[in-house]
Amino acid sequence: DTGVSQDPRHKITKRGQNVTFRCDPISEHNRLYWYRQTLGQGPEFLTYFQNEAQLEKSRLLSDRFSAERPKGSFSTLEIQRTEQGDSAMYLCASSLGIPTTNEKLFFGSGTQLSVL
Amino acid sequence: AQSVTQLDSHVSVSEGTPVLLRCNYSSSYSPSLFWYVQHPNKGLQLLLKYTSAATLVKGINGFEAEFKKSETSFHLTKPSAHMSDAAEYFCVVSRFSGGYNKLIFGAGTRLAVHP
Repeated sequence: DTGVSQDPRHKITKRGQNVTFRCDPISEHNRLYWYRQTLGQGPEFLTYFQNEAQLEKSRLLSDRFSAERPKGSFSTLEIQRTEQGDSAMYLCASSLGIPTTNEKLFFGSGTQLSVL
Repeated sequence: AQSVTQLDSHVSVSEGTPVLLRCNYSSSYSPSLFWYVQHPNKGLQLLLKYTSAATLVKGINGFEAEFKKSETSFHLTKPSAHMSDAAEYFCVVSRFSGGYNKLIFGAGTRLAVHP
């Protein structure tokens, strides 16, 4: 499968613990996005990378959240001191080429986080 | 500011009958609009997109949507539902700013298809 891969698929953690998710975009895709989807809602934008540079961060991304994309390949999203409100599906998407309104994003299956 | 409103949180149809999923948008300029589908345990998949070309847009799996500027609507339709169409559908408007596309999703419509 050459699509966007996310790991793990599910994560259960206790409040206060740190968690890290990984996203492997489609090979050679230079842009990478993170979205968060809570129950009964559509996904919401969190952050965007152009190669290794993080160019945009949503206000939803508090100081407890950090995302990286070393070498412009895979990306990690870390949540420190998790809270119950962090429980959600975390989605990764990637795309290739010059960003235009016709940009097509390819989404992974997501990481479902449950904070107890 | 861009936003989308999906008018129905749940839609239930019988197999073989037409599907209509309603979406209204708000945009300060000519929008790019999309419909995505999300099957359980699978990634979001693009069904179709409108980017100011033809107002009737054809997508995959027999779905189509019509952009109506006067009604600020972008409803998704399919003439005949199939059991495999059961999924969550999202209407999306794209905001292109700062050199990237920020997708703004509606709350979703869950489509159930009954035999």
